[in-house]
Amino acid sequence: DGGITQSPKYLFRKEGQNVTLSCEQNLNHDAMYWYRQDPGQGLRLIYYSQIVNDFQKGDIAEGYSVSREKKESFPLTVTSAQKNPTAFYLCASSIDGMGSYNEQFFGPGTRLTVL
Amino acid sequence: AQSVTQLDSHVSVSEGTPVLLRCNYSSSYSPSLFWYVQHPNKGLQLLLKYTSAATLVKGINGFEAEFKKSETSFHLTKPSAHMSDAAEYFCVPYNQGGKLIFGQGTELSVKP
Repeated sequence: DGGITQSPKYLFRKEGQNVTLSCEQNLNHDAMYWYRQDPGQGLRLIYYSQIVNDFQKGDIAEGYSVSREKKESFPLTVTSAQKNPTAFYLCASSIDGMGSYNEQFFGPGTRLTVL
Repeated sequence: AQSVTQLDSHVSVSEGTPVLLRCNYSSSYSPSLFWYVQHPNKGLQLLLKYTSAATLVKGINGFEAEFKKSETSFHLTKPSAHMSDAAEYFCVPYNQGGKLIFGQGTELSVKP
């Protein structure tokens, strides 16, 4: 089955620690995205990548970092500089980042809790 | 940037009754619009998308939406609600560079 996988489903972190969230897709999509969702709110874009070895900041990139070394993988690191990292993190992909009718496909999410 | 307004933060219906989730967009041209659904603690799933090929768009699980340029609306409807329809629904416009701009969504509750 084609799709997007995120791991782990639940993640706990102590304050001051960096943590990396995994996102893998086997849809052969060029573009990948990371979103953050807080309770009762919509999604906010953290980073996105339209092609391998290239990525751009979204609306709330501070305290986060990404890499895109392979087409199928787009890991997100939540650094200790992120002041309020507890949230639900969603990864998505689309065929490319330019087609206006290209929907994004979402993974199941990772819930990060800082203790 | 393209934006939308979901007119209701919460909608409650009884099982078997019609569902109407309202979405108005702001644009001087025909936008690209999506409706997504999110069940609790899950990722988002595409219900349907407007591609300008047809104003009435049919989606999954019996949902449909009609693009009305004169009213700048793209309301989501379903003739008969099912308990499994209880979820958060997002009307999302496409923006330049592949970005989707999410609002707060509409929470749909379905009463037995």
